[in-house]
Amino acid sequence: GAGVSQTPSNKVTEKGKYVELRCDPISGHTALYWYRQSLGQGPEFLIYFQGTGAADDSGLPNDRFFAVRPEGSVSTLKIQRTERGDSAVYLCASSSYARLAGGPKGAKNIQYFGAGTRLSVL
Amino acid sequence: KQEVTQIPAALSVPEGENLVLNCSFTDSAIYNLQWFRQDPGKGLTSLLLIQSSQREQTSGRLNASLDKSSGRSTLYIAASQPGDSATYLCAVYSGKLIFGQGTTLQVKP
Repeated sequence: GAGVSQTPSNKVTEKGKYVELRCDPISGHTALYWYRQSLGQGPEFLIYFQGTGAADDSGLPNDRFFAVRPEGSVSTLKIQRTERGDSAVYLCASSSYARLAGGPKGAKNIQYFGAGTRLSVL
Repeated sequence: KQEVTQIPAALSVPEGENLVLNCSFTDSAIYNLQWFRQDPGKGLTSLLLIQSSQREQTSGRLNASLDKSSGRSTLYIAASQPGDSATYLCAVYSGKLIFGQGTTLQVKP
């Protein structure tokens, strides 16, 4: 597609339920990132994929959060036993450059963001 | 730990004014610094990217500067228009993007 696509755009769930959020990156982009943005704050890094592998999951807040990218394209962020504090906008971004590419690639690394999924946990 | 701060948090100006948004960061070991625009309910749009070896970048009415040694960047918007109303986010990249909390700009007709 032309840009990063995230579905659903809005998700309302009850506390304790399981949710899945989907991200379709730009075709050919090998790097994929998930961020979480709380109201009035900037996005916070959650996890980074290079190809199929999660190269850095240091931003995941706890073990209720998990993400996969089995074929190196579409990614799914999974949240178990949702809590009200999980309510936020979850953003996905993709890039054509590997995250720690040195020199010009690192310096020019641009991430393209989707519109996000607004998750509300009641 | 890298921290990014944006001042002011909110700004309201009349149409036509020139304005400056400020961003500061604590660790100068960055690959680049980016300014993004975010409209309500939308994703982020990259406005300008300044590589660590550069001092400034310009795009239309926007000019961004970078002073790595002092950990500062500014986004200058010339002749502001109501369509510029949005939240502007600064982010430094050193393997992952670390964002400031944003400045919400309102340009009144």
